[in-house]
Formats: sequence, structure tokens, C-alpha cells
Amino acid sequence: DAGVIQSPRHEVTEMGQEVTLRCKPISGHDYLFWYRQTMMRGLELLIYFNNNVPIDDSGMPEDRFSAKMPNASFSTLKIQPSEPRDSAVYFCASSFQISGNTIYFGEGSWLTVV
Amino acid sequence: AQSVTQLGSHVSVSEGALVLLRCNYSSSVPPYLFWYVQYPNQGLQLLLKYTSAATLVKGINGFEAEFKKSETSFHLTKPSAHMSDAAEYFCAVSSDTGRRALTFGSGTRLQVQP
Repeated sequence: DAGVIQSPRHEVTEMGQEVTLRCKPISGHDYLFWYRQTMMRGLELLIYFNNNVPIDDSGMPEDRFSAKMPNASFSTLKIQPSEPRDSAVYFCASSFQISGNTIYFGEGSWLTVV
Repeated sequence: AQSVTQLGSHVSVSEGALVLLRCNYSSSVPPYLFWYVQYPNQGLQLLLKYTSAATLVKGINGFEAEFKKSETSFHLTKPSAHMSDAAEYFCAVSSDTGRRALTFGSGTRLQVQP
């Protein structure tokens, strides 16, 4: 089976630009998670969805960040406008509810805002 | 609330030596516990997990971990380190109640010296 697929893998953008990160979870998984990894803060949960519905977005840093899951096979994380402090690796992950909470991660989207 | 503490941000061992990475957790309910490994420029890969079955859990690549409730610990071990084990290791906790998302520790970078 294909794993969690994220795009783009790498993005360099200028401050103020809109950034959209995309994720395709593993087929059949009903939970989807967005994490951010930085040297300073480690792995932080930004938001997660259950059956396409946002359950907990308390980790979203501020209003510049938004996430959607229009269907079971696609999610986006948008940053508008982007700032240099948003530079990080953004991971999408998914899980199936009866699997003992094992979460499967994508390869990450490496974002640099200059 | 749930949290994990990983003791030691960097651990260095010689090839062939014992690997011991420490993790202590805090959870108000019986936890699920995980170890993930992250190789450079890659996503996180599940090494092993504890889901209230056997307290000694065996994972991939010769790693194992023991759940000790009395010590609230879930340390990761491997009898003999290999150069390919050099990576960052994350301990994580979740539970069935409340938040389903994993809460990660700050990570331990393992170096293996020839």
C-alpha cells in the first residue's frame, strides 16, 4: 500500500507569499494529523481531523494558518501570509482508529520562507 | 494530560555496544507508548509500540522496549549498535480517552562511533 503522500517535498518562498501544503492519507484511515518540526520546538501537533472533521486545532499557531480536509483522501495546510519563522518541516500523518493509535507519517514538506 | 520526557538529547555509543535511550511518560489513564525513528531528511517510522499486551515489546531492527508502570518508563534498547542505527529517536504517548493524537518527546540523537 502507498503510504502518506505529501507535496511539495521542498518549497522555498518569499515572505508574504501564500503556501499550500498537500496531503493524501493512507486509504481507509479515518484520522489525519498535521505536525510541524523545528529545531527549537521539536514536533508539534498543529491540527487533526476525524472523518474529515477538524477535532483539535489548538496547535495552529495563529490565524495565518488554516487547514482543510474536503474529502477522505485529501487535506491541505495553508499559510497566508508566510513569515520566515514558519520555516520548518511539516508532516502529515494518518491512522486507523482501531490500530492502537499507530500513526503513519509522510516524508514531510520542507518549507523555507526567505 | 499526557507527556513524555526523553533523557539525553544526544547519545553516543560505539559500534557493537548496548544502546539505551530513556523515556519517561506521564498519563492520567493507561497509555499507549511508541518509539519512532527518523533518519536524516526523512519522515518518522514506527519502531515499536506498547498497547497494554506484553510489557516487553520487540520492534524492527533488533530494538525492544520494556513498559514499567511503577517507574513510568518505556526505555528503548538494542544489544549491539550498528552504524545504520544512527538517527533521531522519538518516544511518544497517547491514550484512548481525550486527545487521540500522539504527544512526542523532544527526541534523542543517536551517534554510533566505528
